[in-house]
Amino acid sequence: DTEVTQTPKHLVMGMTNKKSLKCEQHMGHRAMYWYKQKAKKPPELMFVYSYEKLSINESVPSRFSPECPNSSLLNLHLHALQPEDSALYLCASSQVGVGNTIYFGEGSWLTVV
Amino acid sequence: GQNIDQPTEMTATEGAIVQINCTYQTSGFNGLFWYQQHAGEAPTFLSYNVLDGLEEKGRFSSFLSRSKGYSYLLLKELQMKDSASYLCAVRVSTDSWGKFQFGAGTQVVVTP
Repeated sequence: DTEVTQTPKHLVMGMTNKKSLKCEQHMGHRAMYWYKQKAKKPPELMFVYSYEKLSINESVPSRFSPECPNSSLLNLHLHALQPEDSALYLCASSQVGVGNTIYFGEGSWLTVV
Repeated sequence: GQNIDQPTEMTATEGAIVQINCTYQTSGFNGLFWYQQHAGEAPTFLSYNVLDGLEEKGRFSSFLSRSKGYSYLLLKELQMKDSASYLCAVRVSTDSWGKFQFGAGTQVVVTP
Protein backbone atom coordinates (compact mmCIF):
# COMPACT_ATOMS: atom_id res chain seq x y z
CA ASP A 1 0.00 0.00 0.00
CA THR A 2 1.29 3.41 -0.97
CA GLU A 3 1.74 5.97 1.78
CA VAL A 4 1.32 8.78 -0.70
CA THR A 5 -2.37 9.34 -1.34
CA GLN A 6 -3.80 11.29 -4.23
CA THR A 7 -7.28 12.59 -4.90
CA PRO A 8 -9.24 12.39 -7.05
CA LYS A 9 -8.32 9.11 -8.77
CA HIS A 10 -10.09 10.25 -11.93
CA LEU A 11 -10.98 13.74 -13.13
CA VAL A 12 -12.69 14.90 -16.29
CA MET A 13 -12.64 18.63 -16.87
CA GLY A 14 -13.48 21.07 -19.62
CA MET A 15 -10.94 23.47 -21.05
CA THR A 16 -12.48 26.40 -19.17
CA ASN A 17 -12.73 24.67 -15.81
CA LYS A 18 -10.60 25.21 -12.72
CA LYS A 19 -9.82 22.12 -10.71
CA SER A 20 -7.17 20.87 -8.30
CA LEU A 21 -5.32 17.63 -7.70
CA LYS A 22 -4.37 16.88 -4.11
CA CYS A 23 -1.59 14.81 -2.59
CA GLU A 24 -0.84 13.89 0.99
CA GLN A 25 2.00 11.97 2.63
CA HIS A 26 2.66 11.08 6.25
CA MET A 27 6.14 9.65 5.97
CA GLY A 28 7.84 12.79 7.28
CA HIS A 29 9.32 13.49 3.88
CA ARG A 30 10.32 17.09 3.17
CA ALA A 31 10.51 16.81 -0.62
CA MET A 32 7.43 16.43 -2.78
CA TYR A 33 7.09 16.10 -6.54
CA TRP A 34 4.63 16.29 -9.39
CA TYR A 35 5.22 14.09 -12.43
CA LYS A 36 3.17 13.76 -15.61
CA GLN A 37 2.97 10.46 -17.45
CA LYS A 38 1.43 9.78 -20.84
CA ALA A 39 0.50 6.27 -21.93
CA LYS A 40 3.48 4.01 -22.57
CA LYS A 41 5.91 6.82 -21.73
CA PRO A 42 8.11 7.36 -18.68
CA PRO A 43 7.15 9.86 -15.99
CA GLU A 44 8.24 13.43 -16.71
CA LEU A 45 9.17 15.72 -13.83
CA MET A 46 7.08 18.87 -13.49
CA PHE A 47 7.83 20.38 -10.06
CA VAL A 48 9.86 19.67 -6.94
CA TYR A 49 9.24 21.20 -3.53
CA SER A 50 11.87 21.08 -0.84
CA TYR A 51 10.95 22.20 2.68
CA GLU A 52 7.71 23.61 1.27
CA LYS A 53 9.55 25.83 -1.22
CA LEU A 54 9.53 25.34 -4.97
CA SER A 55 13.01 24.20 -5.94
CA ILE A 56 12.53 22.87 -9.47
CA ASN A 57 10.09 23.93 -12.17
CA GLU A 58 10.73 22.08 -15.40
CA SER A 59 9.43 24.91 -17.59
CA VAL A 60 5.85 23.85 -16.99
CA PRO A 61 3.13 26.05 -18.56
CA SER A 62 1.46 28.46 -16.15
CA ARG A 63 -1.88 26.72 -16.56
CA PHE A 64 -0.41 24.28 -14.02
CA SER A 65 0.11 25.94 -10.65
CA PRO A 66 1.61 23.97 -7.76
CA GLU A 67 1.11 24.75 -4.11
CA CYS A 68 2.63 23.24 -0.98
CA PRO A 69 0.56 24.41 2.02
CA ASN A 70 2.59 22.37 4.52
CA SER A 71 5.10 19.56 4.67
CA SER A 72 2.45 16.87 4.20
CA LEU A 73 0.35 18.38 1.43
CA LEU A 74 0.92 19.18 -2.21
CA ASN A 75 -1.67 20.55 -4.62
CA LEU A 76 -1.68 21.06 -8.36
CA HIS A 77 -4.12 23.71 -9.52
CA LEU A 78 -5.37 23.34 -13.07
CA HIS A 79 -6.85 26.08 -15.23
CA ALA A 80 -7.50 26.45 -18.94
CA LEU A 81 -6.00 23.10 -19.79
CA GLN A 82 -5.72 21.63 -23.26
CA PRO A 83 -6.76 18.14 -24.39
CA GLU A 84 -3.07 17.23 -24.75
CA ASP A 85 -2.71 17.74 -20.98
CA SER A 86 -4.72 14.55 -20.47
CA ALA A 87 -2.40 12.17 -18.64
CA LEU A 88 -1.69 10.39 -15.37
CA TYR A 89 -0.43 12.89 -12.80
CA LEU A 90 1.78 11.34 -10.19
CA CYS A 91 2.68 12.81 -6.84
CA ALA A 92 5.79 11.54 -5.09
CA SER A 93 7.75 12.24 -1.95
CA SER A 94 11.19 11.59 -0.52
CA GLN A 95 13.64 12.76 2.05
CA VAL A 96 15.64 15.74 0.90
CA GLY A 97 18.99 15.19 -0.77
CA VAL A 98 21.04 12.68 -2.67
CA GLY A 99 20.55 8.98 -2.15
CA ASN A 100 16.91 9.16 -1.19
CA THR A 101 14.28 7.07 -2.90
CA ILE A 102 11.16 8.71 -4.20
CA TYR A 103 7.84 7.03 -3.47
CA PHE A 104 4.91 7.54 -5.78
CA GLY A 105 1.23 7.88 -5.10
CA GLU A 106 -1.29 5.97 -7.18
CA GLY A 107 -1.84 8.89 -9.48
CA SER A 108 -4.73 10.97 -10.73
CA TRP A 109 -6.05 10.25 -14.21
CA LEU A 110 -6.92 13.53 -15.87
CA THR A 111 -9.00 13.83 -19.01
CA VAL A 112 -9.45 17.28 -20.57
CA VAL A 113 -12.42 17.53 -22.93
CA GLY B 1 22.13 15.42 -23.26
CA GLN B 2 20.74 12.62 -21.18
CA ASN B 3 20.17 9.17 -22.61
CA ILE B 4 18.88 6.09 -20.88
CA ASP B 5 18.27 2.98 -22.96
CA GLN B 6 16.44 -0.20 -22.10
CA PRO B 7 14.74 -2.81 -24.30
CA THR B 8 11.13 -2.15 -25.17
CA GLU B 9 9.74 -5.58 -24.41
CA MET B 10 10.82 -8.97 -23.10
CA THR B 11 8.86 -12.20 -22.85
CA ALA B 12 9.63 -15.06 -20.49
CA THR B 13 7.96 -18.13 -19.05
CA GLU B 14 6.65 -18.50 -15.53
CA GLY B 15 9.42 -19.80 -13.26
CA ALA B 16 12.19 -18.57 -15.53
CA ILE B 17 14.75 -15.78 -15.10
CA VAL B 18 14.78 -12.51 -17.01
CA GLN B 19 17.50 -9.87 -17.10
CA ILE B 20 16.58 -6.31 -18.07
CA ASN B 21 19.53 -4.20 -19.14
CA CYS B 22 19.81 -0.44 -18.81
CA THR B 23 22.58 1.70 -20.24
CA TYR B 24 22.90 5.36 -19.47
CA GLN B 25 24.84 8.38 -20.68
CA THR B 26 24.05 11.27 -18.40
CA SER B 27 25.72 14.54 -17.45
CA GLY B 28 26.12 13.29 -13.90
CA PHE B 29 25.37 10.28 -11.78
CA ASN B 30 24.15 9.97 -8.23
CA GLY B 31 22.36 6.69 -8.13
CA LEU B 32 20.30 4.35 -10.27
CA PHE B 33 16.81 3.19 -9.37
CA TRP B 34 14.53 0.48 -10.68
CA TYR B 35 10.76 0.81 -10.48
CA GLN B 36 7.96 -1.61 -11.38
CA GLN B 37 4.79 -0.21 -12.92
CA HIS B 38 1.67 -2.23 -13.61
CA ALA B 39 -0.66 -0.86 -16.25
CA GLY B 40 -2.71 2.04 -14.94
CA GLU B 41 -0.89 2.11 -11.61
CA ALA B 42 1.89 4.15 -10.04
CA PRO B 43 5.54 3.07 -10.17
CA THR B 44 6.68 1.16 -7.10
CA PHE B 45 10.29 1.20 -5.91
CA LEU B 46 12.28 -2.00 -6.40
CA SER B 47 15.97 -1.24 -5.92
CA TYR B 48 18.69 1.38 -5.66
CA ASN B 49 22.38 1.19 -6.62
CA VAL B 50 24.92 3.94 -6.14
CA LEU B 51 28.10 1.85 -5.85
CA ASP B 52 29.30 -0.84 -8.25
CA GLY B 53 28.09 -4.32 -7.58
CA LEU B 54 25.05 -6.43 -6.97
CA GLU B 55 22.16 -5.67 -4.64
CA GLU B 56 19.87 -8.59 -3.87
CA LYS B 57 16.32 -8.36 -2.58
CA GLY B 58 14.48 -11.63 -2.61
CA ARG B 59 13.62 -12.61 -6.18
CA PHE B 60 14.93 -9.30 -7.53
CA SER B 61 18.58 -8.29 -7.90
CA SER B 62 20.12 -5.20 -9.42
CA PHE B 63 23.66 -4.68 -10.66
CA LEU B 64 25.58 -1.51 -11.43
CA SER B 65 28.81 -0.75 -13.26
CA ARG B 66 29.44 3.00 -13.18
CA SER B 67 32.47 2.84 -15.45
CA LYS B 68 30.37 1.16 -18.15
CA GLY B 69 27.23 3.20 -17.54
CA TYR B 70 25.35 -0.05 -17.19
CA SER B 71 22.85 -1.66 -14.89
CA TYR B 72 20.61 -4.69 -14.98
CA LEU B 73 17.60 -5.89 -13.06
CA LEU B 74 17.36 -9.65 -12.62
CA LEU B 75 13.99 -11.21 -11.93
CA LYS B 76 14.12 -14.83 -10.78
CA GLU B 77 11.37 -17.43 -10.42
CA LEU B 78 9.06 -15.35 -12.54
CA GLN B 79 5.43 -15.17 -11.53
CA MET B 80 2.47 -14.04 -13.60
CA LYS B 81 2.13 -10.97 -11.38
CA ASP B 82 5.60 -9.85 -12.52
CA SER B 83 4.11 -8.89 -15.88
CA ALA B 84 4.63 -5.12 -15.79
CA SER B 85 6.77 -2.30 -17.10
CA TYR B 86 10.18 -1.91 -15.45
CA LEU B 87 11.64 1.58 -15.37
CA CYS B 88 15.31 2.40 -14.98
CA ALA B 89 15.90 5.89 -13.53
CA VAL B 90 19.10 7.85 -12.90
CA ARG B 91 19.56 10.69 -10.45
CA VAL B 92 21.79 12.92 -12.50
CA SER B 93 23.25 15.43 -10.05
CA THR B 94 23.70 16.41 -6.44
CA ASP B 95 22.72 20.03 -7.06
CA SER B 96 19.40 19.08 -8.55
CA TRP B 97 18.99 16.00 -6.40
CA GLY B 98 15.27 15.95 -7.11
CA LYS B 99 15.78 15.32 -10.81
CA PHE B 100 15.41 11.76 -12.02
CA GLN B 101 15.87 10.84 -15.63
CA PHE B 102 13.67 7.86 -16.49
CA GLY B 103 14.18 5.34 -19.27
CA ALA B 104 11.21 4.52 -21.47
CA GLY B 105 10.57 1.29 -19.59
CA THR B 106 10.76 -2.41 -20.47
CA GLN B 107 7.48 -4.26 -20.74
CA VAL B 108 7.93 -7.77 -19.33
CA VAL B 109 5.35 -10.32 -20.38
CA VAL B 110 5.25 -13.54 -18.34
CA THR B 111 3.57 -16.47 -20.08
CA PRO B 112 2.28 -19.68 -18.46
